[in-house]
Amino acid sequence: AQTVTQSQPEMSVQEAETVTLSCTYDTSENNYYLFWYKQPPSRQMILVIRQEAYKQQNATENRFSVNFQKAAKSFSLKISDSQLGDTAMYFCAFITYGQNFVFGPGTRLSVLP
Amino acid sequence: GAVVSQHPSRVICKSGTSVKIECRSLDFQATTMFWYRQFPKQSLMLMATSNEGSKATYEQGVEKDKFLINHASLTLSTLTVTSAHPEDSSFYICSAAGQADYGYTFGSGTRLTVV
Repeated sequence: AQTVTQSQPEMSVQEAETVTLSCTYDTSENNYYLFWYKQPPSRQMILVIRQEAYKQQNATENRFSVNFQKAAKSFSLKISDSQLGDTAMYFCAFITYGQNFVFGPGTRLSVLP
Repeated sequence: GAVVSQHPSRVICKSGTSVKIECRSLDFQATTMFWYRQFPKQSLMLMATSNEGSKATYEQGVEKDKFLINHASLTLSTLTVTSAHPEDSSFYICSAAGQADYGYTFGSGTRLTVV
């Protein structure tokens, strides 16, 4: 079975500091996409960053970057210069061709002033 | 970018009535749409996958007669909760996929409360 694990149910970080959210997954597929989604209190799912499994280079989007370790099936999210607006639930997810999204249980991040 | 519109954002209905939720892809044709349910403080649970012009595929444990899904066009899918009961109260989210992506554009969700 394909699964996603997020071992940190809750985390907090001081404003302007850096925080890393962990994610591991399990799949027998070789080609897939990995995602981090943010869900603020509005509950809108917002795509934060996406990584193609065939790419070795880690994806970056402004203050957000990932550490993708394919052999270890690890996909952590680093948020630099944390802002109050980063407070949200963060879901790690992956999808393989012809299959559906598999979401992790989420990590609730609080950015403290 | 791809935009998915979901309506209504909130709905309150009486027990025993039916409620329809719409999911529209505004600037692309969605060959596949996904419907999720999310309980408080939990992750998204896939309910069903619908492809335009064909019957939806439901996940195990989801009652297809209670959660009717119609995907009559490439830009519109609807979820109808029939004979709603308080236990159907939840947050429902749709997602739409075009031909070149994997369904990562989500609607804004619908909070359903059955009283």
